Amino acid sequence: GAVVSQHPSRVICKSGTSVKIECRSLDFQATTMFWYRQFPKQSLMLMATSNEGSKATYEQGVEKDKFLINHASLTLSTLTVTSAHPEDSSFYICSALTSASGNTIYFGEGSWLTVV
Amino acid sequence: SQQGEEDPQALSIQEGENATMNCSYKTSINNLQWYRQNSGRGLVHLILIRSNEREKHSGRLRVTLDTSKKSSSLLITASRAADTASYFCATHSGNTPLVFGKGTRLSVIA
Repeated sequence: GAVVSQHPSRVICKSGTSVKIECRSLDFQATTMFWYRQFPKQSLMLMATSNEGSKATYEQGVEKDKFLINHASLTLSTLTVTSAHPEDSSFYICSALTSASGNTIYFGEGSWLTVV
Repeated sequence: SQQGEEDPQALSIQEGENATMNCSYKTSINNLQWYRQNSGRGLVHLILIRSNEREKHSGRLRVTLDTSKKSSSLLITASRAADTASYFCATHSGNTPLVFGKGTRLSVIA
């Protein structure tokens, strides 16, 4: 079946630094990918929609200059958390949309970010 | 923004009992999906039910969908300790992202 790979699965970074999370669709092309954030014991909240070759669309309350999204190819979207702070510590999950089987969405395994 | 509301928020049952979780949503959908998430882990897709379907089964899982009431239920029969997890419903329409409910935390006590 389709697989979406996220890397890294866990990352610890110092406050003030930037960290990049990759989301790859391994066996299909994804013109659209979605980034979610999940705080402990809460649900997934959509952060932004990433479209290949164009600017991402951010949800209300999500700072686009802090969470940089680049969808440079049909199989890769990256989320860069810039100038990270401890409150950015969270579980970040991407999903990729394929038009096969009627717009099916596949999720990555998620990335734990801890900012110290 | 979140669309769905699950209830209960938390459910604790004995092994062997059935667990029922409900989900309500607000707008029109193409399909509704249920996911499981173990603590600190990624999502596991359980079942998808389309808007023109009313009931679907998969192993010990039974999902119903009532589009007139904009609600769905997930029934896990003969629960096991390994079923302990958070369960989320998510609605999907067209090429938009999945919108997740708040989830139900299920604890199955052996």
